[in-house]
Amino acid sequence: GAVVSQHPSWVICKSGTSVKIECRSLDFQATTMFWYRQFPKQSLMLMATSNEGSKATYEQGVEKDKFLINHASLTLSTLTVTSAHPEDSSFYICSARDAGGTKGTQYFGPGTRLTVL
Amino acid sequence: GQQLNQSPQSMFIQEGEDVSMNCTSSSIFNTWLWYKQDPGEGPVLLIALYKAGELTSNGRLTAQFGITRKDSFLNISASIPSDVGIYFCAGQLSNAGGTSYGKLTFGQGTILTVHP
Repeated sequence: GAVVSQHPSWVICKSGTSVKIECRSLDFQATTMFWYRQFPKQSLMLMATSNEGSKATYEQGVEKDKFLINHASLTLSTLTVTSAHPEDSSFYICSARDAGGTKGTQYFGPGTRLTVL
Repeated sequence: GQQLNQSPQSMFIQEGEDVSMNCTSSSIFNTWLWYKQDPGEGPVLLIALYKAGELTSNGRLTAQFGITRKDSFLNISASIPSDVGIYFCAGQLSNAGGTSYGKLTFGQGTILTVHP
């Protein structure tokens, strides 16, 4: 089946530092990937849509200069949280849409737990 | 924007009981999806529904796409302890030709607890 990986699975950083999270589609090509954020006991909130070879589309209220997204290949998208602060602590989940699929199905990664001290 | 209302918010049941949860939307979707999320993990797709009225099963799970395209339900029969987790519905729009797909809109989730 379609597998999506994320790295790292968890990260702890100091306030003011930047953190990069990778999302990879392992056995399929993904022209479109999505980045979500999930706070405890809440649903997934879409942050941005990442398109291979073009700029990401950010949801309303998400700062594009703070959450940098790069989708340089058909199997890799990265999310960089710049100048992280404690309020950025959350569970970040990516998903990838199979470019060869016919139903637009999104496959989710296992998530990255970010804790900013 | 589109809103999905998922209910119930939480359920506490005994092993062996059946479970039902549903989602309603203020507007229509072309696709309804049901996901399960275990603690500290990403969501896993359980069932995908693509046509109004469609009824689909996956083992002990059954889901239906409402006729109005504004609702969907998920049933779990004969629950077992490993059914514990958070269940999310999600709606998705696509174009008439099914070649362009929109983003997912998620419900608030249903927390399921199964007592042995």
